[in-house]
Amino acid sequence: KQEVTQIPAALSVPEGENLVLNCSFTDSAIYNLQWFRQDPGKGLTSLLLIQSSQREQTSGRLNASLDKSSGRSTLYIAASQPGDSATYLCAAPGNTGFQKLVFGTGTRLLVSP
Amino acid sequence: GAGVSQSPRYKVAKRGQDVALRCDPISGHVSLFWYQQALGQGPEFLTYFQNEAQLDKSGLPSDRFFAERPEGSVSTLKIQRTQQEDSAVYLCASSRDRVTRNQRRNGYTFGSGTRLTVV
Repeated sequence: KQEVTQIPAALSVPEGENLVLNCSFTDSAIYNLQWFRQDPGKGLTSLLLIQSSQREQTSGRLNASLDKSSGRSTLYIAASQPGDSATYLCAAPGNTGFQKLVFGTGTRLLVSP
Repeated sequence: GAGVSQSPRYKVAKRGQDVALRCDPISGHVSLFWYQQALGQGPEFLTYFQNEAQLDKSGLPSDRFFAERPEGSVSTLKIQRTQQEDSAVYLCASSRDRVTRNQRRNGYTFGSGTRLTVV
């Protein structure tokens, strides 16, 4: 059964810092991995989708890497801004049904001005 | 529509009451998913539709939960005889294409969710 773990659970940084969010998954036979952002009271916004054949994806100040052999993914946020404050969720396909995503519990990020 | 719309945004139900949650996916999207998100947790899969066919309902926690998508567009998640443990945010997501293992997926679009509180 696929299990996804995210650390740290919460992170507080001053504006301008670069930061790394970590995600690990138990079943490395995945075909992609996704990172989402969730603002309080809102749904999920897809940030980056990494296919299994890729090692990383970039979108603006965000860079996500994928290492299937070690069962890890990282989300790197450069030059953080207060508007980046949100919960970041990592999701991998479940191994008992490829339609479903298995989510981690998320990292709550607070960027202070 | 421009996004996935869910209604109501908030629902307070007395224990034992039946509730119905609605999801309007993006027009033309083939795949539709329901997830349940408890406070402080990540979303957990409930069920998946490809058009009107419910292909996976393995995540539904009990037979009190029922989902349908009769015409392949709007979907309804129904919870009968609600219990306090049903309190959560229920998220709906849609995707343009049907999901296959080897397909490069376009990703989901999530709605804002329905927050259900059972008292």
